[in-house]
Amino acid sequence: QKEVEQNSGPLSVPEGAIASLNCTYSDRGSQSFFWYRQYSGKSPELIMFIYSNGDKEDGRFTAQLNKASQYVSLLIRDSQPSDSATYLCAANTNAGKSTFGDGTTLTVKP
Amino acid sequence: DTEVTQTPKHLVMGMTNKKSLKCEQHMGHRAMYWYKQKAKKPPELMFVYSYEKLSINESVPSRFSPECPNSSLLNLHLHALQPEDSALYLCASSQGRSTNEKLFFGSGTQLSVL
Repeated sequence: QKEVEQNSGPLSVPEGAIASLNCTYSDRGSQSFFWYRQYSGKSPELIMFIYSNGDKEDGRFTAQLNKASQYVSLLIRDSQPSDSATYLCAANTNAGKSTFGDGTTLTVKP
Repeated sequence: DTEVTQTPKHLVMGMTNKKSLKCEQHMGHRAMYWYKQKAKKPPELMFVYSYEKLSINESVPSRFSPECPNSSLLNLHLHALQPEDSALYLCASSQGRSTNEKLFFGSGTQLSVL
């Protein structure tokens, strides 16, 4: 079992819809969770982080964490074509290492 | 300055060459990282430096040799690489190495080994 798993994708949504990206993790020692966006040919860019159970909102992005279920999600409201990218979920352990999921590729169609 | 700068952006080298990748940050971060990323795969951790000391080496072959000359600079020396080492090499930094650390990535060096 991979330490961090993401829904396999690719995910395609129409412009203006909500995109829902999911991630599960196996290490209960994981403390912090991050979503990075990576455009094709570019490096990852942090867009959200969450440390506590519940929801965290930043603009059109909402991260959700449920430590009991070992589940993290990212919702993108009012999706735009510029949101088309690969989204990487990462979990940090007590050792300070970030473990990445394989990523979910999102396409937002105009 | 919130950037991590990597040079060169592209590198083509033969299997007998010696080259170096360079990374620089001026955010006062005390942890720096090298990741390797193959196409359509997630970044894989190679090395972590914390306060200029090597703290994690993810069993990387010795043909990759990291160096941290000071808190702002990180190098990756390459020697006798194999074609399968062709990948995007990403440098990242974080404030420290607590569990809440966010990674700031450079733009990467696209390496091709012929």
